[in-house]
Amino acid sequence: GESVGLHLPTLSVQEGDNSIINCAYSNSASDYFIWYKQESGKGPQFIIDIRSNMDKRQGQRVTVLLNKTVKHLSLQIAATQPGDSAVYFCAEIPYMDSNYQLIWGAGTKLIIKP
Amino acid sequence: GAVVSQHPSRVICKSGTSVKIECRSLDFQATTMFWYRQFPKQSLMLMATSNEGSKATYEQGVEKDKFLINHASLTLSTLTVTSAHPEDSSFYICSANEGWGTEAFFGQGTRLTVV
Repeated sequence: GESVGLHLPTLSVQEGDNSIINCAYSNSASDYFIWYKQESGKGPQFIIDIRSNMDKRQGQRVTVLLNKTVKHLSLQIAATQPGDSAVYFCAEIPYMDSNYQLIWGAGTKLIIKP
Repeated sequence: GAVVSQHPSRVICKSGTSVKIECRSLDFQATTMFWYRQFPKQSLMLMATSNEGSKATYEQGVEKDKFLINHASLTLSTLTVTSAHPEDSSFYICSANEGWGTEAFFGQGTRLTVV
């Protein structure tokens, strides 16, 4: 079946540096993409989203880039802080899914080095 | 943003007993809620889609008789793990949307340990 983000890498970043977390998706019909942050023992928390008609979207310290040609999604976190330590998941929603069902990636664990 | 409250956050039960987990949307109505299971260091695995007033739609491989879902109102869905066994120990998470095209809001998760 189609899937998002088959890998579960760990990314170690120096505090203050920028972090880039990547995600590959395979469903070309997906319309909506979301990044979530999950801290240990908690539910996922919405970070930022992007629709398929956009290439880039910026939030507070975060930027999401969408490359539909290569089916790639990335999350950039500027000036990474200790509080950014978490597992980050990308998720997608196929076009016009009536239930708004998320298809989850495997996740990336972000570790901040002091 | 909207708040989804999940209760309890942690529960330990004896093998063979049943456990009920509640998921409430506190400040919005959720026609659809989702139940997930998450194993350590893994992604969320969708168990079922819960629609208010109708039967839940279970994903392949999820036993509907073991994981009973009730979505009796627009603000409450419950997941009951019946005759729990140690292999049911996991982190269970619910989510809810206000409507199509809106972000999903997640509960805090429930850590179930069956001993």
